[in-house]
Parts: sequence; C-alpha cells; structure tokens
Amino acid sequence: QSVLIQPPSASGTPGQRVAISCSGASSNIGSNTVTWYRQLPGTAPKLLIYANNKRPSGVPDRFSGSKSGTSASLAISGLHSDDEAVYYCAGWDDSLNAWLFGGGTKLSVL
Amino acid sequence: EVQLVQSGAEVKRPGATVKISCKVSGYTFTTFYIHWVKQAPGKGLEWMGLVDPEHGKTIYTENFKDRLTLTADRSTDTAYMELRGLRSEDTAFYYCAPLRSGALATWGQGTLVTVSS
Repeated sequence: QSVLIQPPSASGTPGQRVAISCSGASSNIGSNTVTWYRQLPGTAPKLLIYANNKRPSGVPDRFSGSKSGTSASLAISGLHSDDEAVYYCAGWDDSLNAWLFGGGTKLSVL
Repeated sequence: EVQLVQSGAEVKRPGATVKISCKVSGYTFTTFYIHWVKQAPGKGLEWMGLVDPEHGKTIYTENFKDRLTLTADRSTDTAYMELRGLRSEDTAFYYCAPLRSGALATWGQGTLVTVSS
C-alpha cells in the first residue's frame, strides 16, 4: 500500500467540479511540496501541478492544487470527457529518503 | 525543448540483466537528478531511484537496492538503468525523468521490459 493515500476512483459529469485527495504524513506532504500527474492509457505521465499549486505552461486553469498540513488535493473544474485518466500525487519523503507516488485515482466522466 | 529518448523494448529470460538508456537533450545534463519509475501492467507508478549526473551519487528505494544500478554518462548526456536478476514481476514499463523545480516535468517515452521464459 502506498504511503500517499488516494481514493482508487472518482467520478463526475461533464461541466462538474471534482476533487481528488492525497493523504500523507509530516515527513512527506507535511514538509515538502506536492506534485500531481495525469496518465492516459498507453502514455507516459504528464505533470499537472508542481509546488503544491503551480501549473506548468500549457496546463489549463481548470486544474488547481492545494495543500493543508499533511493532505493535498487536486481539483478539476468544468469536467470534459477527455479528463478521464488516472491521476497521481507525488512528492519527496524525508524519512524514507525516497520519492513517493500515491496509488492513483481513476477518474470517470459519466 | 527538453526531451528524453529511451532505448527500445527488451525481452529477457528470468535471471538475466537489462540495461535501459535515457538520452537527454534540451538542457545541461548535469543540472538535474534523473529519476527512474516502474509501472507494471495495470498498476500504479513505483519510484525506483535517482542518479545525480554531476557527481554520480545515487539513491535507491529499498525494493530495488540489491539489484539496481543507476549511472550517468556525461560525455553522451545519457542516463542508464541496469536491473539484475530479472523475475516475472519485473515485467513493466520503465520511465526516466529529470527532477526540475521539485517535479518530474518531462518523461521519457517509456521502455517495456518483458521477462519470460
């Protein structure tokens, strides 16, 4: 089981807002920044959010990140059908001296 | 433009060794640590370790530390991942990615390693 805990699935309807949580500990989310990735089937992961809430160039502002204490969240507003993907949170853990990924959340757009 | 181009798919017997390359372009190779990530079929992302291309320093996760060697060749701007003692559960895509601004912003296309007798 991953040290960063995500719900295995989430869903929403087109146009809706959905949030995906990522729960960690003081040694990871609590003391380091969080990143979020999106992965479509058969492709490499793509960075969506870095430094908790910053978007790389080209990522729409429908995607936003937040962090509070030892938890983080990715919000997607104005859901599109092509937002169907697996979303991962990730970050460094000072105790394990390792990069961690959450288990991934499969988002379905109904 | 930052690009990472990985070597092609491999098929190996159990017990064999695989070495995957990751050729970097678009930035100074020694600037960022290169991370390696495993993804088994239908599974999530699993961090394997990192290499500092400037100093050769490595960090390996516990799951792989006895079988994994990460290296970086500054003369060719290429990082390598060598995994020994392959077993069926090593069948996976393997990705390289540099850590920039605290994130794995650009990924290689992935290399599929199939371990089968």
